[in-house]
Amino acid sequence: DADVTQTPRNRITKTGKRIMLECSQTKGHDRMYWYRQDPGLGLRLIYYSFDVKDINKGEISDGYSVSRQAQAKFSLSLESAIPNQTALYFCATSDPRRNTGELFFGEGSRLTVL
Amino acid sequence: EDQVTQSPEALRLQEGESSSLNCSYTVSGLRGLFWYRQDPGKGPEFLFTLYSAGEEKEKERLKATLTKKESFLHITAPKPEDSATYLCAVRLSGNTGKLIFGQGTTLQVKP
Repeated sequence: DADVTQTPRNRITKTGKRIMLECSQTKGHDRMYWYRQDPGLGLRLIYYSFDVKDINKGEISDGYSVSRQAQAKFSLSLESAIPNQTALYFCATSDPRRNTGELFFGEGSRLTVL
Repeated sequence: EDQVTQSPEALRLQEGESSSLNCSYTVSGLRGLFWYRQDPGKGPEFLFTLYSAGEEKEKERLKATLTKKESFLHITAPKPEDSATYLCAVRLSGNTGKLIFGQGTTLQVKP
């Protein structure tokens, strides 16, 4: 089983719908991240969380919200999806005790907003 | 503004034809430079971390080097299984743990 699991892997939805992408991890890491990947733009940080009580905005948080339900779970919500939120979304974790900054990524959730 | 730029965007090589990928960065304070490999439909997979100018890391046919302004990922005698997108990222000073990614170089190695 994957250490960082994302659901759903693929989702097609319509403009205005509410969407939730979920991430769970078995690595025991405190830090979790949501990134978005678009062709030619690389990975951009949406939100990150250092523990259950700590949530921080990344560089492109507008239109998104997150919830850290437990150390192992971090979900990303689009309250009212729009077509330019069509992208590949990645959840990632890191272990601050290692102090290497290495991120461990999930397999990605491909979202299409029509 | 902190920025990471990778070149070329795409690279086609024949099997055995060595080459290099470039990652240039302008950041306020570097706390590490990372290389990741990403296969189609998969999440990025960690390859290397470099911390200071002059540092080098190797793994099979890959060698990463770092200067004060850029990093190179050298691929020696590549094989078709090296085909992937290679991502560069920098970690900024401070304790946020955030990484800023470049847009990636897509490598195709033909047999």
